[in-house]
Amino acid sequence: RKEVEQDPGPFNVPEGATVAFNCTYSNSASQSFFWYRQDCRKEPKLLMSVYSSGNEDGRFTAQLNRASQYISLLIRDSKLSDSATYLCVVNANNDMRFGAGTRLTVKP
Amino acid sequence: ETGVTQTPRHLVMGMTNKKSLKCEQHLGHNAMYWYKQSAKKPLELMFVYSLEERVENNSVPSRFSPECPNSSHLFLHLHTLQPEDSALYLCASSQQYSGMAAGGYTFGSGTRLTVV
Repeated sequence: RKEVEQDPGPFNVPEGATVAFNCTYSNSASQSFFWYRQDCRKEPKLLMSVYSSGNEDGRFTAQLNRASQYISLLIRDSKLSDSATYLCVVNANNDMRFGAGTRLTVKP
Repeated sequence: ETGVTQTPRHLVMGMTNKKSLKCEQHLGHNAMYWYKQSAKKPLELMFVYSLEERVENNSVPSRFSPECPNSSHLFLHLHTLQPEDSALYLCASSQQYSGMAAGGYTFGSGTRLTVV
């Protein structure tokens, strides 16, 4: 089983759609969780941290389910500019693990 | 411009060449990292430096040799690479080497390396 597993996609959605990604992790001792965004041929950039109580930043909502060991990212009202690869990052005792990413394409 | 600058952006090298990748950060961070990103694979952590001391070396082949002369600069020296080493090499920095580091990672734009 992979340390951090994501559906590679691609997810192809129309503008305005709501899309959700899940990420599962294997290490139950994981302490902190993040979503990064990586545009084509660019570096990853922090999108948002994921808190136990769930958190929202505009159109983006992140959730953590420790019991089932997964985190999710929900994007509402998708924009063309949301097209990117979304990386799940899980940290346990300074051992940072990245998922391979989920690719999203938002189409007009 | 992210505050972490990597050069060169692209590099093509033969298997017998020696080259170096450079990373410079202007953020006053204390930790710096080298990652390898291959197509459709997760980022692989290669080396971590905290306050100029190497704190992690994740079973990386000796043909990759890191150097951290000060807290702002990080190098990756390459020699006798293999074609399977072709990938995007990303440098990152964070304020501290800690459990929250990923939240504070700033990545450079990467060096796209092709070994022929």
